[in-house]
Amino acid sequence: KAGVTQTPRYLIKTRGQQVTLSCSPISGHRSVSWYQQTPGQGLQFLFEYFSETQRNKGNFPGRFSGRQFSNSRSEMNVSTLELGDSALYLCASSSRTSNTEAFFGQGTRLTVV
Amino acid sequence: AQSVTQPDIHITVSEGASLELRCNYSYGATPYLFWYVQSPGQGLQLLLKYFSGDTLVQGIKGFEAEFKRSQSSFNLRKPSVHWSDAAEYFCAVGASGGYNKLIFGAGTRLAVHP
Repeated sequence: KAGVTQTPRYLIKTRGQQVTLSCSPISGHRSVSWYQQTPGQGLQFLFEYFSETQRNKGNFPGRFSGRQFSNSRSEMNVSTLELGDSALYLCASSSRTSNTEAFFGQGTRLTVV
Repeated sequence: AQSVTQPDIHITVSEGASLELRCNYSYGATPYLFWYVQSPGQGLQLLLKYFSGDTLVQGIKGFEAEFKRSQSSFNLRKPSVHWSDAAEYFCAVGASGGYNKLIFGAGTRLAVHP
């Protein structure tokens, strides 16, 4: 069974631009969560989608958004990029609605210059 | 509020030595607890999980962890460390609320000396 696939692996963007990251969960998993990892703040929850619905959102500005498609693939978008958005963005998929293990992708390394 | 504390930022051990990584959590009910490992520039790999039942759980790569409710701890152990175990280790608790969200500790970076 294929794991969680995130594309692209690396991305360099300029301040003020927007970016879209993609995540394909493990086949059959309907829950997709996104996390931001930075050296200063560690791993922080961005949001979670289940069956195309955003069920919870972390404490991030509205520039961070996401969506989930009917095939459970998810995208996250960051608009008006800031230098502080440079981070490793991790996607995780889960098989149940709650309180179950999450399987992570390799991440997308975003650098904002 | 739910939180996870990993008191040790860096740990260095010699290859073949035993290892214990500490994790303390703050959670009102029975927690769902996890240990993940991350190699540089990579994603997180699940080592083991505790949901209920036996408080000593076995994971992959020879790791085990013990849940101690009285101490609010979930420490990770390995009897003999290999050089390939050098990585960053994260303890996490599943947040309450009926959805999938993990609250992570700050991580412990493990170095292994030959």
